[in-house]
Amino acid sequence: AQTVTQSQPEMSVQEAETVTLSCTYDTSESDYYLFWYKQPPSRQMILVIRQEAYKQQNATENRFSVNFQKAAKSFSLKISDSQLGDAAMYFCAYRRSNQFYFGTGTSLTVIP
Amino acid sequence: DAMVIQNPRYQVTQFGKPVTLSCSQTLNHNVMYWYQQKSSQAPKLLFHYYDKDFNNEADTPDNFQSRRPNTSFCFLDIRSPGLGDAAMYLCATSRDSPGDGYTFGSGTRLTVV
Repeated sequence: AQTVTQSQPEMSVQEAETVTLSCTYDTSESDYYLFWYKQPPSRQMILVIRQEAYKQQNATENRFSVNFQKAAKSFSLKISDSQLGDAAMYFCAYRRSNQFYFGTGTSLTVIP
Repeated sequence: DAMVIQNPRYQVTQFGKPVTLSCSQTLNHNVMYWYQQKSSQAPKLLFHYYDKDFNNEADTPDNFQSRRPNTSFCFLDIRSPGLGDAAMYLCATSRDSPGDGYTFGSGTRLTVV
């Protein structure tokens, strides 16, 4: 079975600072995809960044980057230069075939 | 813009009274999903359609049913809502491509009174 664990229920960061959200997963597969989703309060869940497991290079999208450690089954999200609009619930997700598996989420607060 | 639309945004229903939530998409994605999300929890997959093939999760209660009459529309029917069914219901779509993420709708917040 595939499981996704986010060990930080809540995190906070000062505006303009950097924060890292952690995620670990369990799988016996070698080919899969990992995602981070952002869900602002009462708003739509949107894709932040994705990582292909067979790629060693860490994905980057503007201020968002990941630290993907395949052997350790770790997939953390780094948010640089945090902005007030980054405040949201962040979900780590694993995809294989047509199944997505979500972690329990990390609530990020950005302090002005 | 291509998108996933859920209606209504908020739904109040009476205990035991059947309710239907709808989802439509303009993305022409062949996979559609229904998730239940309770406060501060991860979304829980109820079922998904791969084209017309229905895939039910083992722990989805029989009280929950779904219909997909065509590629664009998918419905979630709750036959006899209980207080424990109050939640946000999320519809999502994806292509049958492993690297594709989901595209989510805005969700329907269901209240059971």
